[in-house]
Amino acid sequence: GENVEQHPSTLSVQEGDSAVIKCTYSDSASNYFPWYKQELGKRPQLIIDIRSNVGEKKDQRIAVTLNKTAKHFSLHITETQPEDSAVYFCAASIRGNQFYFGTGTSLTVIP
Amino acid sequence: KAGVTQTPRYLIKTRGQQVTLSCSPISGHRSVSWYQQTPGQGLQFLFEYFSETQRNKGNFPGRFSGRQFSNSRSEMNVSTLELGDSALYLCASSLRTGVNIQYFGAGTRLSVL
Repeated sequence: GENVEQHPSTLSVQEGDSAVIKCTYSDSASNYFPWYKQELGKRPQLIIDIRSNVGEKKDQRIAVTLNKTAKHFSLHITETQPEDSAVYFCAASIRGNQFYFGTGTSLTVIP
Repeated sequence: KAGVTQTPRYLIKTRGQQVTLSCSPISGHRSVSWYQQTPGQGLQFLFEYFSETQRNKGNFPGRFSGRQFSNSRSEMNVSTLELGDSALYLCASSLRTGVNIQYFGAGTRLSVL
């Protein structure tokens, strides 16, 4: 099956700096790549997603890039704020709603 | 529109017992997927139901089963509980099967003693 690796596992940045989280996947058939944010004790919430026919997608301070050849995708958060502190998960899907998740990145934004 | 609702929120069981968890999807959503979340293994896919049929299944033993009703509500059952089954069980709903945005519920925290 698909294997998704996510790095780094922890990330600390100063408020206002950028944060980048990277994921790689193993199955070239994967065609949908969502990113979820999970605050402590809360449910995962979708923050951005990208499909395999698109190389980049942006939503305000958040962007995702996809490199199908290298089989990796990245989350970019610019002008980070303390409320961006959370655990971020990447995921990949080959078929249906069966998502393979990365192991998560704990992001801390230091005021 | 109400979100994904999972009940109960917390459960404490002992080894060998069985447990049933419930998930009500967003109104109009017909696909429900279940995930197990643990600190060590992260989020792992259990199964997906659409139109009362299991569409995809993850790599979990047969003790984990599920079903979906005609109103799209889904239940997950774990029989003969083991200590390692302690986890947060999340369900996610989507409009339909295929590759779609999934919306998660708050989860059921299961503790097996």
